[in-house]
Amino acid sequence: EDQVTQSPEALRLQEGESSSLNCSYTVSGLRGLFWYRQDPGKGPEFLFTLYSAGEEKEKERLKATLTKKESFLHITAPKPEDSATYLCAVQAGGTASKLTFGTGTRLQVTL
Amino acid sequence: DTEVTQTPKHLVMGMTNKKSLKCEQHMGHRAMYWYKQKAKKPPELMFVYSYEKLSINESVPSRFSPECPNSSLLNLHLHALQPEDSALYLCASSHPAQETQYFGPGTRLLVL
Repeated sequence: EDQVTQSPEALRLQEGESSSLNCSYTVSGLRGLFWYRQDPGKGPEFLFTLYSAGEEKEKERLKATLTKKESFLHITAPKPEDSATYLCAVQAGGTASKLTFGTGTRLQVTL
Repeated sequence: DTEVTQTPKHLVMGMTNKKSLKCEQHMGHRAMYWYKQKAKKPPELMFVYSYEKLSINESVPSRFSPECPNSSLLNLHLHALQPEDSALYLCASSHPAQETQYFGPGTRLLVL
């Protein structure tokens, strides 16, 4: 059974204090790993798709990396507007279209 | 443009009511999804339509009835819901070849 574990559950950072969120996964044949950002009461906003170990993608203050067992979302010099829940999801080969989500990391960035 | 729209934004219904949630996308995606999300939990897949045909039903109770009238529209018909069905209902779509799912803003449903 595919499994996704995110850590930490919650993270509080001061503005400018860089950190990383972790997503560990167990999947039979990774088809893709996805990062989403979700604000309270809203739908998840797509951030990145990673397909193979060693792949990296960047967008503004965010950088996602992938190994064979985990993915990291690095946040550099965060701002209060980066506060949100960050969700990781995996898609396995053979389970077309089905995403397995982690429980998310709630990030709060304070001034 | 990666926009998925959902209506209504909020819905309050009694347990004997019949209502429908609507979802629309104009990205040419041929796969569309319904998810249910409870507070502080990740989205849970309910249904998947691929090329307007139901391909996945995650053992969802029959009081939820999906419909895909065409490649751009997805409906979720609700009947005789229970208070525990109160949640954020999310629609998503994807291009089958790319698989990245794009989510709509959701419908906040409250069942009284």
